[in-house]
Parts: sequence; C-alpha cells; structure tokens
Amino acid sequence: DTGVSQDPRHKITKRGQNVTFRCDPISEHNRLYWYRQTLGQGPEFLTYFQNEAQLEKSRLLSDRFSAERPKGSFSTLEIQRTEQGDSAMYLCASSLAQGYGYTFGSGTRLTVV
Amino acid sequence: AQSVTQLDSHVSVSEGTPVLLRCNYSSSYSPSLFWYVQHPNKGLQLLLKYTSAATLVKGINGFEAEFKKSETSFHLTKPSAHMSDAAEYFCVVSGLNSGYSTLTFGKGTMLLVSP
Repeated sequence: DTGVSQDPRHKITKRGQNVTFRCDPISEHNRLYWYRQTLGQGPEFLTYFQNEAQLEKSRLLSDRFSAERPKGSFSTLEIQRTEQGDSAMYLCASSLAQGYGYTFGSGTRLTVV
Repeated sequence: AQSVTQLDSHVSVSEGTPVLLRCNYSSSYSPSLFWYVQHPNKGLQLLLKYTSAATLVKGINGFEAEFKKSETSFHLTKPSAHMSDAAEYFCVVSGLNSGYSTLTFGKGTMLLVSP
C-alpha cells in the first residue's frame, strides 16, 4: 500500500451529467476526508468519515453531492446534474485517527463543459 | 471560526537565497498548524506541523517554522532555496472548534526559484 489512490485522475463531463469518483485510502486509516480545490484557492473541506460513518458535512456539499464509505474502506463521491461551477480538483485524504497527519491523494480533476 | 491568511500569493527567490513564506492564523482555541507543499500534478505533502510542543518546528527538506502566539503567525523559512523547492505552499490550521478533525487551508503561496 503506497498511499491514497484516486480514480479517475481526470474527468471531463457535460453539464447535467452525473459523475462518480473513487478514493482508496491507506488500508489501516480509519478516517477519510474529501476536499475540493478550485483554481487559485486552497482546498476546502467537504466531508469526512470515520470508518463507515459520515461524521461531518460542509455547507459546500449541496444536495447534488453525496459521499459514501460503505464498508469503511474505499469511498465514493457522486455529483448529480453537474454544473460548470463544479469544475475543480477533488482531493481525498486519510488519517489513522484524530490528531494524526493526513495523507492526500493526487486528486481527480473534474471539468464540466 | 478558524482561518488562515497567507500574506503573499507569489514569492520569487534566487537559488541559494533564504525563503520566507508568511502566514497568520485565527483560531478560537489552541490550534494545530501545518505547512503543506503541492508540486504540479502531485498530491499535497506535509512539510511540518505544530501541535503545542516546541514553538520552532523543523520539517522535511530543510524547512522550519516558528509558532508565535503573540503575533498569531506561523511563518515558513528555509536558509537556502533549491530549484526543487519551486511549488505551491499552503498554511493550514486545525482547531478545537472543528474538533481538530478538519483542516482550514490558506489560499496558497507560489514559490518561484530562479537559477
């Protein structure tokens, strides 16, 4: 296990389509986080899981966004009815527990045309 | 609420000269502070972190940062820049009001290193 993996690396979609991203955390990490980074900005928190439980969601996570971590291992982030404003880099991170450092994946770059 | 202000969007230095990237934070309680680096097309990498131990924190690749509570600052320094240091740097805070669970990032400082 070499780190946090995200798939796909790039996604181009037409406005109105649904997209799903996958994140595979480091295997022994209980916590998994999703962040979004737009051009010229730092990453912004979206949501996080401890094992399979989704413990916190940001106001940025509109009703069109849903995240799951069904077995406490990998996670998926789905965006329904994509909008151009959803174009961003979606970053996943994992950590062993609260207070431990995060390990980030390389991200999925979404472009909505 | 917690927040981070990175005072420079871009910093340009010559190879071999010192680096200073400035960061001020706001947090209701004792914060944890971090610096992350992001190279193009790569994930964020932790440089160093402060968690209420020594105020001078040493990180990887020769970087260090000093926590100054009176100034609410956490500036990142390196004595001598290398070409490979060219990247975007993020100052990050995590505080009690978020349960130390989530990170708040600054907008980033792009470090440019010229030969």
